[in-house]
Amino acid sequence: EAQVTQNPRYLITVTGKKLTVTCSQNMNHEYMSWYRQDPGLGLRQIYYSMNVEVTDKGDVPEGYKVSRKEKRNFPLILESPSPNQTSLYFCASSWAYSYEQYFGPGTRLTVT
Amino acid sequence: KNEVEQSPQNLTAQEGEFITINCSYSVGISALHWLQQHPGGGIVSLFMLSSGKKKHGRLIATINIQEKHSSLHITASHPRDSAVYICAVGWSSGSARQLTFGSGTQLTVLP
Repeated sequence: EAQVTQNPRYLITVTGKKLTVTCSQNMNHEYMSWYRQDPGLGLRQIYYSMNVEVTDKGDVPEGYKVSRKEKRNFPLILESPSPNQTSLYFCASSWAYSYEQYFGPGTRLTVT
Repeated sequence: KNEVEQSPQNLTAQEGEFITINCSYSVGISALHWLQQHPGGGIVSLFMLSSGKKKHGRLIATINIQEKHSSLHITASHPRDSAVYICAVGWSSGSARQLTFGSGTQLTVLP
């Protein structure tokens, strides 16, 4: 089944403890992206990647890192999480020639 | 700052009604997307437009580049259409893949 998976789905952590949210797709998509969704602010793009080893900043990249070493994976790294990074995170992917994005199920992160 | 505005924020309709959700943006774009977020949180891409009109089933999306405006129409609405509808744009001044989102329209269709 074609899908985008994210792990973990739920995470509660403490300020400053490094964490990684994984994103994997099995559709051989070139494009992958991370978004966060907050009440009152809606969806905002964090980082995106057009292909392996190619990443670009979205609207809100501060406090996040990404890497794209393999086509199928696009992990989101929070080196030193802070409470203002408490949010619902979505990963998405698409083919380079298509703008139709396939979204993962979301990861709800709470930083205390 | 480049902005995307959606209206209305909330919309309640009776089953069978024709529904219109609007999206306006401030400057030139390379692409506009319509997304649907289900009550459970999952997000689905509905349309991508750079001009004209697209139709899929009971959903129709239009865009007027000169007026910087797009509409999403739902014909013969059904309770299963209840969801948040979100528009997003890729600005022509930047990468088409760098997206800015509207705040969403919460649609409730009553039986």
